[in-house]
Amino acid sequence: QKEVEQDPGPLSVPEGAIVSLNCTYSNSAFQYFMWYRQYSRKGPELLMYTYSSGNKEDGRFTAQVDKSSKYISLFIRDSQPSDSATYLCAMSVTGYSSASKIIFGSGTRLSIRP
Amino acid sequence: DGGITQSPKYLFRKEGQNVTLSCEQNLNHDAMYWYRQDPGQGLRLIYYSQIVNDFQKGDIAEGYSVSREKKESFPLTVTSAQKNPTAFYLCASSPRLSRENSNQPQHFGDGTRLSIL
Repeated sequence: QKEVEQDPGPLSVPEGAIVSLNCTYSNSAFQYFMWYRQYSRKGPELLMYTYSSGNKEDGRFTAQVDKSSKYISLFIRDSQPSDSATYLCAMSVTGYSSASKIIFGSGTRLSIRP
Repeated sequence: DGGITQSPKYLFRKEGQNVTLSCEQNLNHDAMYWYRQDPGQGLRLIYYSQIVNDFQKGDIAEGYSVSREKKESFPLTVTSAQKNPTAFYLCASSPRLSRENSNQPQHFGDGTRLSIL
C-alpha cells in the first residue's frame, strides 16, 4: 500500500462548478500538508500548505485536513478553465521542506470545460 | 525575478553517455533537491543538499551524481549506470530547515525532460 493515495482522474467539470480533490494517507504521524498545481510541461507550483487538522482558505481555494480519517481535500470554488492542471498533494512528518521525508501523491488531472 | 532555472528544457541521451542537468536558484535558499517524475507516480527524491559542499542520497540515487560547489547551483548528472533515465526531472529549493524557517515549503523549477535516443 502506498503511503499517499490520490485518484489520477481525469476529472472533468463544467466552468463554475465546485471541485473537490482528495488524498488519503496511511501514516498517522503526517502533520504538514501541501497542495501543488502543475501545468503541462511545467514544475509544480505551491498552492496551499496547512499544519495539522482544520481548514485554510485562500481566495477560491480551501484546504481541509481530517486527521482522524487520514484524508485531505482541496476545494476549488467557481472553477475556471485556467484551473485545468494536475494537482499534487504532499505531506510530511517533520516539516514542509523536510528534505528526505516529503511524500507526494501521484496527482489528479483536472479539466474545466468552458 | 527570484526563481529556479532549469536547463535545458529538453535533453536527449545516447546509450552509454553521461548527461548533466543544470539547476540555478537566486532565492538565497540553502537547501536544494532533485526529484524524478514518472507518469502515474509521485515525485521521487534523487538527491538533496542542505548546505554547500554537502549532499545526501534520496530514495533513488543509484545511477545519479550531484555536486554543490556554490549555494545557487546544484547540477545533476545522469550516468550511463542509470538504465531507465527517461523521465521529467525537477529541481527544488527551500530555506534550510531551522526554527525560523520550518514553515517554508519547497519551490520548484520548470523541469528538464530527458529522453533516450
